[in-house]
Amino acid sequence: DGGITQSPKYLFRKEGQNVTLSCEQNLNHDAMYWYRQDPGQGLRLIYYSQIVNDFQKGDIAEGYSVSREKKESFPLTVTSAQKNPTAFYLCASGQGAGGELFFGEGSRLTVL
Amino acid sequence: KQEVTQIPAALSVPEGENLVLNCSFTDSAIYNLQWFRQDPGKGLTSLLLIQSSQREQTSGRLNASLDKSSGRSTLYIAASQPGDSATYLCAVSEVDSNYQLIWGAGTKLIIKP
Repeated sequence: DGGITQSPKYLFRKEGQNVTLSCEQNLNHDAMYWYRQDPGQGLRLIYYSQIVNDFQKGDIAEGYSVSREKKESFPLTVTSAQKNPTAFYLCASGQGAGGELFFGEGSRLTVL
Repeated sequence: KQEVTQIPAALSVPEGENLVLNCSFTDSAIYNLQWFRQDPGKGLTSLLLIQSSQREQTSGRLNASLDKSSGRSTLYIAASQPGDSATYLCAVSEVDSNYQLIWGAGTKLIIKP
């Protein structure tokens, strides 16, 4: 089936640890995005990539890093520099700027 | 700076009713507007996308309208069902922001059987 796969679905991290969230898509989309969702707030953009080997910071990139070595993959690393990492993380992809977005099922990160 | 607002934050209606969800935005220079649905603990599902040149889009029991001059969009749901219970989010994209989406906080809809 075509779609976006995020893993893991749930992740627990101790303070001071880096963790990497996986996002894979088989929709042949050029653009991929990472969003953070907190209760009662709209989605906030962390990073996005419109082409392989290129990515741009979103509104809340501090404490996060990404790579885009393959078209179908866009992993997000939450580093120890992120002060409040507990959140629901959503990966999305789309074909072209301003196109319809398709989302994965999300990854919930909890810092213990 | 573009701001997107969805009021009310929550809405509860009996099954079978027709209902309207609201989305307002402060800058009319948008590229398009999208409506999404999110079930608890899940990702988002795209419902409708309206280009700035369009006035409405329809999919099944859903109809979305766009009035750029007043900075408003509405999502009309006909003959609501308990399965429509979810959070509905709208988002606008702008050319000046490299087409990145600006999101509303969503309206949580509960359809009572």
